[in-house]
Parts: sequence; structure tokens; C-alpha cells
Amino acid sequence: DTGVSQDPRHKITKRGQNVTFRCDPISEHNRLYWYRQTLGQGPEFLTYFQNEAQLEKSRLLSDRFSAERPKGSFSTLEIQRTEQGDSAMYLCASIKSPRSEQYFGPGTRLTVT
Amino acid sequence: AQSVTQLDSHVSVSEGTPVLLRCNYSSSYSPSLFWYVQHPNKGLQLLLKYTSAATLVKGINGFEAEFKKSETSFHLTKPSAHMSDAAEYFCVVSDPGANFGNEKLTFGTGTRLTIIP
Repeated sequence: DTGVSQDPRHKITKRGQNVTFRCDPISEHNRLYWYRQTLGQGPEFLTYFQNEAQLEKSRLLSDRFSAERPKGSFSTLEIQRTEQGDSAMYLCASIKSPRSEQYFGPGTRLTVT
Repeated sequence: AQSVTQLDSHVSVSEGTPVLLRCNYSSSYSPSLFWYVQHPNKGLQLLLKYTSAATLVKGINGFEAEFKKSETSFHLTKPSAHMSDAAEYFCVVSDPGANFGNEKLTFGTGTRLTIIP
């Protein structure tokens, strides 16, 4: 257990539905990262926050995706109008910047049917 | 831009024999390099990290890696494999100097390590 938690661990949804995932980072960590991992691949960067500010979004993050980190604590990642291509493991990581290692949560596995 | 190439998608070794997982990186500035391990249905766990200190880095569970700037390599080794080492291993680079302070991790495609009893 790294101290980073994610909820839910598994989500099955029908195409077109909206889903929201939550990440609770290690409390003293100022940065929070979201990654997506598809089958047989390494995780890919989606977006990150420094405290409550979202500083960068990957081109992988389409307009259907939105992320928030209110008050610089937990973060949510919402996917609107899900598509089958959204099926993946969504990973959250937190870090006490700078130059420290990122601690990963267990991930949320999304299956879109 | 930062990138990582893991040269073997699958490595099989016998229990008790040495392990070598190969990784080459590309980065513009002064990268940090990591190896993470992912066991089935488990989260990513940090094995070791290099952040511009000693070039030979020791990690958990007997693993170590050597940073070779001239060869742009960061290979992972272990003298004697154990059954519990069977997992997916990812070589990872982070270069905030090249990414406006963003410490995002760029992962390789992974190497699946199989241990033969």
C-alpha cells in the first residue's frame, strides 16, 4: 500500500454513459498526476495538478475528459459520453515535488461495453 | 522530448540465475530514471531511481541498475532470480528541465519477466 487510494477499483459502464473516478493522494504531496494504461502498454501521461491548479493536459485528453482537484486535496477524473476506446486502467500518482518519486494508486479499471 | 526503449518485451530466466532487463533512454537535459515493477492485479511499485547522484543505483529486492550516459542506457540487473520476481518491469524517464517543470513520467512498453523453476 503506497498511501494513494483510488475509487472505484473497477467500473463497467455502457457506451455513452458518464463516469467519474476519485483519487486521494498522500496528504503532504503537492502534485498529483493522472495516467492511462491500456492492455500491453506502459502508462501514458494525461494531466497533472500542482495543488489545485491544473498545469498541463496531454493531447490524449479529449474534450470529453475533465479533471479537478478542489482545495488541492483529492482529485476527480470525469469521462463524458464514454466510448469503447476509453476502456483502460486509469492510474493516479502523487509526488512531493521536486525530484521525488511518484507513488501510484492501485488504479481504476474501466470497461466500456 | 523524452523517450524510453525497452529492448526485450519478454525475458525468461531460470530460478537462481542472473537477470538482465535492458533499457535505453532519450532526453534533452538531465533526466531522472526509474524502474517500476507491476505484479498481476497489483499497483506499480518503485524498484529504484537515479537522480544524478551515484551512477550505480541499488533498489529493493536485490535489484540494481547502472546509469551510463555515454550509452544512454539504464539496464536493470539482479544476481539471482527468485520466483517472486515474475512480473512486468517498466523503465521510466522524467525530465522536468525539458518539460517546463512537469515531472511527468514516460514509460517504456514493459518487459515481462518469467522465472522458470
